Amino acid sequence: EPEVTQTPSHQVTQMGQEVILRCVPISNHLYFYWYRQILGQKVEFLVSFYNNEISEKSEIFDDQFSVERPDGSNFTLKIRSTKLEDSAMYFCASSEWAGENTEAFFGQGTRLTVV
Amino acid sequence: LAKTTQPISMDSYEGQEVNITCSHNNIATNDYITWYQQFPSQGPRFIIQGYKTKVTNEVASLFIPADRKSSTLSLPRVSLSDTAVYYCLVGSQGKLIFGQGTELSVKP
Repeated sequence: EPEVTQTPSHQVTQMGQEVILRCVPISNHLYFYWYRQILGQKVEFLVSFYNNEISEKSEIFDDQFSVERPDGSNFTLKIRSTKLEDSAMYFCASSEWAGENTEAFFGQGTRLTVV
Repeated sequence: LAKTTQPISMDSYEGQEVNITCSHNNIATNDYITWYQQFPSQGPRFIIQGYKTKVTNEVASLFIPADRKSSTLSLPRVSLSDTAVYYCLVGSQGKLIFGQGTELSVKP
C-alpha cells in the first residue's frame, strides 16, 4: 500500500535554529498538506500546497514557516528561528484531489523538540 | 465548515460493538462525513466516509440518518488495538479541520 513517508522521525533543535522537515507524498497525489499536533492537543491545519504554490494557510503559518517542493518527490516544511512553542508532532499529508470527499493520507510524523 | 460535536471519551470491552455518534447540525448539502482514527504518536488514518444512509467497509460502518444532522461510526467486535482517538469531520474541502475527537479505550 502506498504511504506518505516523513524524515526525520524525531528532531531536536536549539531555540533560534532553523529546521527542515521532509516528506515524500504518495506519488500520484497532487495536493500536499502540513499539520501539527502539540502534545495533548488536537491536530491543527498549517498549510495546503497545490501546483507548486500555497493554496491555503492557517493563522499559525506565519512568516516563520515556509514550504517547498524542491523536486518531483519531496515536500518540505521549513521553520526559521524555532521557538519553544514550536515543539510538536508535524504531520505531512497528501491527497489525489481536494474536493468534498477528500481522503487524505498522513505520514507517521516528525516529533520536533525545541530546547 | 460545519461544527461537529462528539463525546470526549468512551470505554468498551473487547468483543463489544462500539457506536460513536457525532452531531453536525449545520451540515451543508454538499458536505461529506468522514471519520479518521489516530493512534498515539501516529498520524490520523482514514476509516470511512459517507454522504447518506449506510456505508460499510472492512473496518467499520457509518450510519447517516435522512436529515444528515448526525452520524454514527460503528466498530464491530472491538479489540485492544482499536484503542485510539476517533475524529468526525464534515465538509473538509481539502484541508481537514479536526476537533478534539473521541478517545476510545478498549479494555480486556
